[in-house]
Parts: sequence; C-alpha cells; structure tokens
Amino acid sequence: GNSVTQMEGPVTLSEEAFLTINCTYTATGYPSLFWYVQYPGEGLQLLLKATKADDKGSNKGFEATYRKETTSFHLEKGSVQVSDSAVYFCALRVNNAGNMLTFGGGTRLMVKP
Amino acid sequence: NAGVTQTPKFQVLKTGQSMTLQCAQDMNHNSMYWYRQDPGMGLRLIYYSASEGTTDKGEVPNGYNVSRLNKREFSLRLESAAPSQTSVYFCASSAGTSGSPQETQYFGPGTRLLVL
Repeated sequence: GNSVTQMEGPVTLSEEAFLTINCTYTATGYPSLFWYVQYPGEGLQLLLKATKADDKGSNKGFEATYRKETTSFHLEKGSVQVSDSAVYFCALRVNNAGNMLTFGGGTRLMVKP
Repeated sequence: NAGVTQTPKFQVLKTGQSMTLQCAQDMNHNSMYWYRQDPGMGLRLIYYSASEGTTDKGEVPNGYNVSRLNKREFSLRLESAAPSQTSVYFCASSAGTSGSPQETQYFGPGTRLLVL
C-alpha cells in the first residue's frame, strides 16, 4: 500500500535557524508529493508540491526535492521565522488510488524569537 | 471568496446521538472529500465524491454516511456517535473529476467534535 513517514516532533528552533523536516514514502504507483501546512486553529494549506522525480517544489522560502532513488521529499528552509510555527504534513497521491491523499502524521514546528 | 466553509466549528455529543457536519465550496470544484484528523496519525480519508451524484468510501468509512447534495455541498452524517469518533473533521475540494495525482486539494477550517 501507500504510506508516508515523517520525523516526529515537536521540532524547536530559534529564529533564523536552518530547518529540515524529513519525509519518506512508499507507493504502489508513481506518486505526486505534497507538503501541507496547518497554522493554529486553521485548516491545511498547500505549501508546495512536486509531480515527478528530481522536481523541486518551492514556496515562501521552503523547498523540497522529489528524490525517487531514496523515496524522500524532505522539507527545508534556510532561515525560519516565528511565523513559520505550525504543523507540517507530507502527503502523496497516486493514479491508482482515486482521489485519495495519503498523509504522514505531521511534524509540529515551534520557532522561538 | 470564501473557499471551503464548514459548520459547526465545534460540537459536543453524547454517545448514540446523531449529527450532520456541513461543508460547502464556492470554487465550482467537482470533487469533495471528508477527512478526520487524529493526533499523530495525520489525516485519513473517510469518504469522497468525484462528481455530483457519486460518492466512494475512503480509508475509514465505518460509522459515517455522506450526501453530495449538489455541486457545492457535501455533508457527513454520524447516525450513532461513539467516543472513537472524537476527532477534528476536515472537508476539502479539488477541481477535477479524474483524481489526477497532481491536483491540489483545498481544505476548510475544520469541525472539532467531542463525543462523551
């Protein structure tokens, strides 16, 4: 089946620190990969996506590269801000799974001033 | 542009009570989804509707029913609530009907449900 594994949180960083949140996946087909972000009290928002191997998704200073050889899609940001404090979800979707997104368990990021 | 809206925002039920969670989108999307979010488990798909008049089971459909009332609205019903259904419920929508893996889903703000 399809599954997504994320590093457990919380991840606590100081402002301007470098961020990496690891994400690996298993998929029965050729997946598209997503990072969603959930700010406190809100629904999920798409942060970035990549649809084929070696693609790099980027948005708001965040980046993630689709690595087929390592089945990974790690999220990175060079300098985090307090406003980046949120829960981050890695997800995948494949053609043979209809409309189903498969999510990881989420990683809570806390950025201190 | 409201996007995806959900009502209510918060609900407390007693075991055995029934209720319907409402979801509406104003983006003219064809597909709509219901997820539940539990701590440490990410989101799991309950049901989805690829187009008006069709619904399909997701990963965790037991104890739930859905209705795609029209293109805009997709409701989730709990006929006899159980404590295991305590969760945060999210509705989402996406533009297409074919379930393209590249398609973006847009989420509502969620309904927090507590079953005592």
